Amino acid sequence: EIVLTQSPATLSVSPGERATLSCRAGQSVSTTLAWYQHKPGQAPRLLIYGASTRATGIPARFSGSGSGTDFTLTISSLQSEDFAVYYCHQYYTWPRTFGQGTKVEIK
Amino acid sequence: EVQLVESGGGLTQPGRSLRLSCITSGFTFGAYSMSWFRQAPGRGLEWVGVIRSKAYSRTTEYAASVKDRFTISRDDSKNIAFLQMNSLRTEDTAVYYCSRLFSDNGDYVSDYWGQGTLVTVSS
Repeated sequence: EIVLTQSPATLSVSPGERATLSCRAGQSVSTTLAWYQHKPGQAPRLLIYGASTRATGIPARFSGSGSGTDFTLTISSLQSEDFAVYYCHQYYTWPRTFGQGTKVEIK
Repeated sequence: EVQLVESGGGLTQPGRSLRLSCITSGFTFGAYSMSWFRQAPGRGLEWVGVIRSKAYSRTTEYAASVKDRFTISRDDSKNIAFLQMNSLRTEDTAVYYCSRLFSDNGDYVSDYWGQGTLVTVSS
């Protein structure tokens, strides 16, 4: 299975600052990489698919980049509602896999 | 509005069975493949399995950790997906989510998810 490694595990950021999250795949997944935001007690929310396409209704402050094995999710100016856990997810092959998550917390 | 609501979770003992339901609305259920995921306490998200749409013969795939114990099915007439879980183990304790898969140029990714149902396996 394809292992996804996210870094850092925790990111402490002040509101209004930029956050950069990384995801590295153990082998190429082309651009079949998605990012989800997950808050406790809520459904995971699709932010980015195809490595760089924002899902419906996702604000422009969220952007994704990368291909092959190295991917980045950038939140340009953190809002209070953005503090959550973020997961990268590959849908290149079965079994589908996720990174272990990056928790974005208030600094 | 697309909605997915999981139900059927609860407390059960090791070795017992449980069936989860994912009741959907707001989209043409029969045209979509559906996946199940889970999140164990303090852990990340884990893919459980998928059932494809009728157009793809309702075929299924499963994670190695649940293969031969869990079965995914669907009732397109009622817009419901099911997860039948047999021979449950303590390590199956998790919040279980269902999701809809949509096509990203022929590759399928989960877009809408339910809020999950908690399954606790304990003696």
